[in-house]
Amino acid sequence: EVQLVESGGGLVKPGGSLRLSCAASGFTFNTFGMNWVRQAPGQGLEWVSSISGDSTYIYYADSVKGRFTVSRDNARNSLFLQMNSLRAEDTAVYYCAGSPGTYWYFDLWGRGTLVTVSS
Amino acid sequence: EIVLTQSPVTLSLSPGERATLSCRASQSLSSYLAWYQQKPGQAPRLLIYDASNRAPGIPDRFSGSGSGTDFTLTISSLEPEDFAVYYCQQRRSWPLTFGGGTKVEIK
Repeated sequence: EVQLVESGGGLVKPGGSLRLSCAASGFTFNTFGMNWVRQAPGQGLEWVSSISGDSTYIYYADSVKGRFTVSRDNARNSLFLQMNSLRAEDTAVYYCAGSPGTYWYFDLWGRGTLVTVSS
Repeated sequence: EIVLTQSPVTLSLSPGERATLSCRASQSLSSYLAWYQQKPGQAPRLLIYDASNRAPGIPDRFSGSGSGTDFTLTISSLEPEDFAVYYCQQRRSWPLTFGGGTKVEIK
């Protein structure tokens, strides 16, 4: 069974840091591009970051560039998002999503982890 | 950045009716557009990719069409489980972007 399970969300103060993880199983992880997509409460979907299967290509939304860092560990079938200098507007459910090869559609989805940035 | 504009924002229909959702891009996408369905409290689900290809397991009442800047998602006959929010997404260029969504609600 294909699974993506996010963890690491929680409540953090503005300016703080958080590291999200996504554990993958049931598919050949290193053949999938991986992504983070977020959704603020009651709002639409926003793409955050993508990383290719071999980590050669990495992309960020302007809203997080310089503050967030995406990485992956193919030996552990895991995806990460290091989030620094967090702001209130980063409050959202963060989804881990998989894209086959370099077809940057979101074919596989986790259930999401909630990040709340508040003092 | 490519902007995707979805219309209408809300579509009120009855089960069995046909739903037609629109997604317009600020520049040509060729066919690099996907559609997703999201129900409350759930992650989105990929329905259509490359404008007209159904993802595995998606019922054939869902169809996608269009190219360039104008795209359509059609649900031929609404089932009760189809009432949800639908998003389009482009992969033509970075940054990847989503439309604002269309909510299909029960009339």
